[in-house]
Amino acid sequence: DIQMTQSPSSMSVSLGDTVTITCRASQDVGIYVNWFQQKPGKSPRRMIYRATNLADGVPSRFSGSRSGSDYSLTISSLESEDVADYHCLQYDEYPNTFGAGTKLELK
Amino acid sequence: QVTLKESGPGILQPSQTLSLTCTFSGFSLSTYGMGVGWIRQPSGKGLEWLANIWWDDDKYYNPSLKNRLTISKDTSNNQAFLKITNVDTADTATYYCARIDIGTTFFDYWGQGVMVTVSS
Repeated sequence: DIQMTQSPSSMSVSLGDTVTITCRASQDVGIYVNWFQQKPGKSPRRMIYRATNLADGVPSRFSGSRSGSDYSLTISSLESEDVADYHCLQYDEYPNTFGAGTKLELK
Repeated sequence: QVTLKESGPGILQPSQTLSLTCTFSGFSLSTYGMGVGWIRQPSGKGLEWLANIWWDDDKYYNPSLKNRLTISKDTSNNQAFLKITNVDTADTATYYCARIDIGTTFFDYWGQGVMVTVSS
């Protein structure tokens, strides 16, 4: 199985911060990585698809990037509504695998 | 507008079979490239992919659940189903279904989730 090693597991953040979350794939998954945001009691929401594409309706302060087997989600100028859990997913191969998640908390 | 909604038994006992239904609208599982996946999340934990079914009835399962999973669809009624046999307390989780569009990506739309508790 492809492992998606997500870091950090949690992060204490301030409004206005630039936040970067990373997933490292244990083998090549190409562009087939998505990022999801999940707020308490809610379903995941797709934010980034195919590693770098912003999903419809997602603010432009969110961006996705890839460097080799490292995939990153960056939130520029963090707003209060961005405080949530974030998950990466690889769907290049079966079984599809998620990262363990990153919890953003306000300082 | 794409919507999905999961339904299930709420609570069941160990060793029973869990049957889940995903009722969706705004797309068809008879359309080329469309699929539905099932994902679960124990309370306070991460997401775990379970299974996908495609428009052509191709099916894929998470091998970690061995042979306990069966995914199926009813194209006429816009529904997808997941059965998990021989459930255990470790199967207690919120279960989600989500759409797949091979032209864009996996899991672009999600249902609200259904909580399932396995308890004796």
